[in-house]
Amino acid sequence: LAKTTQPISMDSYEGQEVNITCSHNNIATNDYITWYQQFPSQGPRFIIQGYKTKVTNEVASLFIPADRKSSTLSLPRVSLSDTAVYYCLVGNQGGKLIFGQGTELSVKP
Amino acid sequence: DAGVIQSPRHEVTEMGQEVTLRCKPISGHDYLFWYRQTMMRGLELLIYFNNNVPIDDSGMPEDRFSAKMPNASFSTLKIQPSEPRDSAVYFCASSKTGGSPLHFGNGTRLTVT
Repeated sequence: LAKTTQPISMDSYEGQEVNITCSHNNIATNDYITWYQQFPSQGPRFIIQGYKTKVTNEVASLFIPADRKSSTLSLPRVSLSDTAVYYCLVGNQGGKLIFGQGTELSVKP
Repeated sequence: DAGVIQSPRHEVTEMGQEVTLRCKPISGHDYLFWYRQTMMRGLELLIYFNNNVPIDDSGMPEDRFSAKMPNASFSTLKIQPSEPRDSAVYFCASSKTGGSPLHFGNGTRLTVT
């Protein structure tokens, strides 16, 4: 299984764009990349998933370079409610998904 | 859809007692996962099932832990006997396929005294 590395924590201010980068140097050909968000006392919640290039939904964008050894989650114009832990996962159709330590994002007014 | 349902939300028990955590996955989801979360170790995958069959239980801490999935709509995680170090939040999650996003329940906060 590909191991992921993310910054432990990040700070931002309301209205700013936040980019969280995840390294996954040994990602396999059939692996995809998925990001989750977790608030205190809740289970993680799916944000976005991609395989290559760029994926965008109503919440975030995911940028994946050609070598796929890293990915960047982009949150546009964050608000206080975006304060949470963000996890990057790498996995395939086999189902086994391992969470790393995540990035604790703190958004300040 | 009601989402993944876990019970109980909170469980407080004494060391040595048996604990059973329950999970109802989303209907139509073929995969079910049990995770444990603590401050020290983060989110750990304990075991996961595909079509009610355990696929990988390498994350189960020791023989005191067991998990079953008797049918597509129900799974249990049992700890017998429980120990204080088992105190954690236990999450159940399900997914439609092996590659689709996980849907988590609200977790069971277990405290073993």
